Amino acid sequence: GNSVTQMEGPVTLSEEAFLTINCTYTATGYPSLFWYVQYPGEGLQLLLKATKADDKGSNKGFEATYRKETTSFHLEKGSVQVSDSAVYFCALSTNAGGTSYGKLTFGQGTILTVHP
Amino acid sequence: ETGVTQSPTHLIKTRGQQVTLRCSSQSGHNTVSWYQQALGQGPQFIFQYYREEENGRGNFPPRFSGLQFPNYSSELNVNALELDDSALYLCASSLAASGRASYEQYFGPGTRLTVT
Repeated sequence: GNSVTQMEGPVTLSEEAFLTINCTYTATGYPSLFWYVQYPGEGLQLLLKATKADDKGSNKGFEATYRKETTSFHLEKGSVQVSDSAVYFCALSTNAGGTSYGKLTFGQGTILTVHP
Repeated sequence: ETGVTQSPTHLIKTRGQQVTLRCSSQSGHNTVSWYQQALGQGPQFIFQYYREEENGRGNFPPRFSGLQFPNYSSELNVNALELDDSALYLCASSLAASGRASYEQYFGPGTRLTVT
């Protein structure tokens, strides 16, 4: 079955530091990959996506590259801000015929805290 | 464009009771998926509705059921509530169409259910 593994434990950074959150996956077929962000007390917001190998998704200074050879989709940002503090979820979906459209399988989430 | 809305925002129920949660999909979307997010965990897929029928189901018992209406809005019903049903319930809508490479899901703010 499909699964997503994110780096464990909260991440604490100072403002303007470099961010990496690791994500690896196991999937049948050819998944699409996503990063979602969840701010305190809110639902999930799509941050970026990539639909095929070597695609780079980017948004708001965040980037992630779909690496099929290493089954990874690590999230990076060159300079984080206090406002980036949130929980980040890596997710995948596969579009095998006859199954749910875009059913998402999520990782466990990574809490990011950015201090001034 | 109206986003995904959910009601109620918060709900407290007693073990053994039944609950109905509601979701209005984003304008133009025809598919609704429901997820359960336990505290500190990633969301887990419950089921999806497409064309008013269940289109895939996760590892949840039959006491979790749903409906989709002609306007694509949806309900999640949970019977015989258990303490472990306490969670944030997220609704996500998407547009399913043949030939699409991916099906981005857009999430509502969620309903926080507490079972005592």
